[in-house]
Amino acid sequence: QQPVQSPQAVILREGEDAVINCSSSKALYSVHWYRQKHGEAPIFLMILLKGGEQKGHDKISASFNEKKQQSSLYLTASQLSYSGTYFCGTEYNNFNKFYFGSGTKLNVKP
Amino acid sequence: DADVTQTPRNRITKTGKRIMLECSQTKGHDRMYWYRQDPGLGLRLIYYSFDVKDINKGEISDGYSVSRQAQAKFSLSLESAIPNQTALYFCATSDLGQGATGELFFGEGSRLTVL
Repeated sequence: QQPVQSPQAVILREGEDAVINCSSSKALYSVHWYRQKHGEAPIFLMILLKGGEQKGHDKISASFNEKKQQSSLYLTASQLSYSGTYFCGTEYNNFNKFYFGSGTKLNVKP
Repeated sequence: DADVTQTPRNRITKTGKRIMLECSQTKGHDRMYWYRQDPGLGLRLIYYSFDVKDINKGEISDGYSVSRQAQAKFSLSLESAIPNQTALYFCATSDLGQGATGELFFGEGSRLTVL
């Protein structure tokens, strides 16, 4: 039931954009996005609910395509601080039980 | 002080030993979780508890047990540790009260090595 994330890794220069995808084979209720710095705990970025709109957080935004059962995370004009591993967490009903993808490692270079 | 505290942060043990990882939280959340993180596999759910009397198995509960001693405390035990249980373990909490997003708040992790 784990969602599939792609790509597995991305290397960017500061100021470049990136898209991270999260796909599920089951109908989704919600998708959470988290970022984890090396050696630290994952930190919540945003949640997208079924039927919800696209969300934004500074220059990081996300969308949720119910028909395709997938979510995408958009990082625009990337900053060095965006480096880390991004995880999507999927919820298949309103039970607050999450399954995480294997992560996308993002490396932003000067 | 962290809202979700895990102890120990690091532990090296031998095959066959019993190990307990403890988690306590000051956020007042009813829901608590134990996840395991392995390189390339992301976070996998071991057990979760929605209140003191409610404990449920996750994706990979074999070889693990849990105890919810109070709303604020959720412990994970490995009855007889084996090397493939070497991993980084995270405790997390969430709140589904009015206005809450359901986001997970993670502890700082417990790195367990089984020799």
